[in-house]
Amino acid sequence: GAVVSQHPSWVICKSGTSVKIECRSLDFQATTMFWYRQFPKQSLMLMATSNEGSKATYEQGVEKDKFLINHASLTLSTLTVTSAHPEDSSFYICSARTSFGRGGGETQYFGPGTRLLVL
Amino acid sequence: SQQGEEDPQALSIQEGENATMNCSYKTSINNLQWYRQNSGRGLVHLILIRSNEREKHSGRLRVTLDTSKKSSSLLITASRAADTASYFCATPTGGFKTIFGAGTRLFVKA
Repeated sequence: GAVVSQHPSWVICKSGTSVKIECRSLDFQATTMFWYRQFPKQSLMLMATSNEGSKATYEQGVEKDKFLINHASLTLSTLTVTSAHPEDSSFYICSARTSFGRGGGETQYFGPGTRLLVL
Repeated sequence: SQQGEEDPQALSIQEGENATMNCSYKTSINNLQWYRQNSGRGLVHLILIRSNEREKHSGRLRVTLDTSKKSSSLLITASRAADTASYFCATPTGGFKTIFGAGTRLFVKA
């Protein structure tokens, strides 16, 4: 089945630093990837949709200058949390939409998530 | 904003019992999906039910969909301690975005 990886799996950083999270589709090409944020005991909230070769589309309330997304290739999207602050501490999850299989594109495959702690 | 709302928010049952979780959504959909998330982990896709289907089975999972009521239910039969997790319903929106419900936290006691 389709596999999505994320790196790093967890990161601790000081307030004010920037953190980059990578999302890779390992065995398929993903024209579209999605970034979610999840706070403890809450649901996943969509942050942005990342399309290969074009600018990301951000959800309302998500600061695009703070959460920089780059979809450099059909297998890689990166999320950079710039000037991170303690309130940015969260679980960040990416997903990729496949374009194959029955129904094509209906199922998203999720990465294992990256836990960010900003001190 | 979240598309789906789920109830109950939390459910605690004994091993062997059945667990039922419900999900309601707001807009018209082509399909609805259920995911499981173990604590601190990524999501695992469980099952997809299309808008023209009313019921679907996969192993111990049974999903129903009532498009007239904009609701779905997930039934886990003969639950096991390993079923302890959070369960989310999710619906696609325009642009293939998937919006998640609030989730149900299931705890199965051995």
